[in-house]
Amino acid sequence: EVQLVESGGGLVQPGRSLKLSCVASGFTFSNYGMNWIRQAPGKGLEWVAYISSGSSYIYYAETVKGRFTISRDNAKNTLYLQMTSLRSEDTALYYCARQQVLLDYWGQGVMVTVSS
Amino acid sequence: DIQMTQSPSFLSASVGERVTLSCKASQNINKYLDWYQQKLGEAPKLLIYNTNNLHTGIPSRFSGSGSGTDYTLTISSLQPEDVATYFCLQRNSWPYTFGAGTKLELK
Repeated sequence: EVQLVESGGGLVQPGRSLKLSCVASGFTFSNYGMNWIRQAPGKGLEWVAYISSGSSYIYYAETVKGRFTISRDNAKNTLYLQMTSLRSEDTALYYCARQQVLLDYWGQGVMVTVSS
Repeated sequence: DIQMTQSPSFLSASVGERVTLSCKASQNINKYLDWYQQKLGEAPKLLIYNTNNLHTGIPSRFSGSGSGTDYTLTISSLQPEDVATYFCLQRNSWPYTFGAGTKLELK
């Protein structure tokens, strides 16, 4: 069974940093690209970042470029999102989603709240 | 960036009714259009990919169509378990962009 489990969220002050993790199981993690997608409370979905299976290709949304870094450790079946200079508008539920072509499986999400 | 506009934002329909949701792109997305269903408190679930392909395990009452900039998700006979918010996603080019969603409720 494919499983994606996010962790690392919480309450953080504006300007601080936080690192999210997404542990994958039930499939060959190193064969899949991975995405982070977020959803602000009561709002729609916003794609945040993508990393290819071997980390050769990385893309970011303009809203996070220069502040967020996506990375992965295929030996640990884990995806990361390092978030710095956090703003109130980064408050959201953050999902990881696998992608070979389709974004076909998503985790349940981890909440990040940026507030003083 | 490609803008995705979904309509309507809210839709109320009866059980058994045929329902049509729309998604319009700001430029041609070459049928790289997927539909997701999100029930309250759950992660989005892939329904349809590349405009008209049903994802594994999705009931056949769901179907998709479209080309160029205009795409449609149809539920042929609405069921109570279809109450959810539906999002479209374009994968034609980075950054991927989602529509704002259509919230579907039972009348």
